[in-house]
Amino acid sequence: DVKVTQSSRYLVKRTGEKVFLECVQDMDHENMFWYRQDPGLGLRLIYFSYDVKMKEKGDIPEGYSVSREKKERFSLILESASTNQTSMYLCASSLTGTVTDTQYFGPGTRLTVL
Amino acid sequence: GIQVEQSPPDLILQEGANSTLRCNFSDSVNNLQWFHQNPWGQLINLFYIPSGTKQNGRLSATTVATERYSLLYISSSQTTDSGVYFCAASSGGSYIPTFGRGTSLIVHP
Repeated sequence: DVKVTQSSRYLVKRTGEKVFLECVQDMDHENMFWYRQDPGLGLRLIYFSYDVKMKEKGDIPEGYSVSREKKERFSLILESASTNQTSMYLCASSLTGTVTDTQYFGPGTRLTVL
Repeated sequence: GIQVEQSPPDLILQEGANSTLRCNFSDSVNNLQWFHQNPWGQLINLFYIPSGTKQNGRLSATTVATERYSLLYISSSQTTDSGVYFCAASSGGSYIPTFGRGTSLIVHP
């Protein structure tokens, strides 16, 4: 079974702090994704990566950056956390860049910015 | 990009009841998935179903691609079915799915 893990389930940070959220997958998947989930809005794509050191902006990249130095690890960075970034963050991976891919999700990180 | 709409937004059932969740999409799809998010936040892929019908135990899904909708059927619902059900679709050459806003299901014992 594919396993996607995220570094923290719950995180509390202060406004202005630099925040790192890490995601690791163990199935040699090429693609990795970061989403945020807010009540009533579903999942919105922040960034995705289709290969090591490659990244593409999603629908809401403002205020975020990402890093993928190794195939199995995809990090989401909040350079200067703000209260409107309080949310549930979900990482996902998929095997290849084909249209028949299915996504596998991590357990999520609930981030609160005070 | 493709638009994905789900209905109903909320659903409350008694254990043992059946239900149908709907997903409408605005364009022809090359990928359509149904996910269940449990109350602790974990999303699990239920079906990959860009067309046709699939069944897995008490759950089944049907996608009518020509009419741009998909249905998820839950029979004999159990409390463990509670959570949020998401539909996600992609179209054209994209493999990046667009998620609907979800249907929140509560099953009471």
